[in-house]
Amino acid sequence: GAVVSQHPSRVICKSGTSVKIECRSLDFQATTMFWYRQFPKQSLMLMATSNEGSKATYEQGVEKDKFLINHASLTLSTLTVTSAHPEDSSFYICSASPRGGARTDTQYFGPGTRLTVL
Amino acid sequence: DQQVKQNSPSLSVQEGRISILNCDYTNSMFDYFLWYKKYPAEGPTFLISISSIKDKNEDGRFTVFLNKSAKHLSLHIVPSQPGDSAVYFCAASEKEEDNAGNMLTFGGGTRLMVKP
Repeated sequence: GAVVSQHPSRVICKSGTSVKIECRSLDFQATTMFWYRQFPKQSLMLMATSNEGSKATYEQGVEKDKFLINHASLTLSTLTVTSAHPEDSSFYICSASPRGGARTDTQYFGPGTRLTVL
Repeated sequence: DQQVKQNSPSLSVQEGRISILNCDYTNSMFDYFLWYKKYPAEGPTFLISISSIKDKNEDGRFTVFLNKSAKHLSLHIVPSQPGDSAVYFCAASEKEEDNAGNMLTFGGGTRLMVKP
């Protein structure tokens, strides 16, 4: 149980285009979903926290107009990288916290999406 | 099905004693393993890693042990300090890469509480 999927797993796009990444909780409902970006040395930077039915909360330094997040349902959150540029090339990981879970800090991570912007 | 599991959701340890966090995996293709530490409202930060060619890696108070035959790894923290209280995630990858972009599979996390 507690599986989180991401689609696509890899995407290559041209500079200036927009890319949408989906994050789904497959067997549980997620009240909260998180989006991370992986940087060298394997550290994960929290980009934003999204709650179903409300606007995402972005971390300082993350452009909300560039990284659009939609948490449309309790099982789906999407991250859209608008007008992508080569510096946006990275590994994007989502995680989801179960609704009604005994522990509010439980997170289940997706497998990640590798974005390459040419 | 989860390929990386942390079966203990929480662990409580007295300050100065050893903390042992466990992680099991099922995918025999995994050859690089990482531990992350996460404070509330922050992203996980990289703590320590180990390649499958080793069975132990030590960095200060933190040591990671890998038992490939049992598909098990553990993180030892000694001596434990109150500041170590956090959620710890183990993660695994099929290939170690120097640049950003490993395909990581995470466990569900273990909350460590170190009591003064």
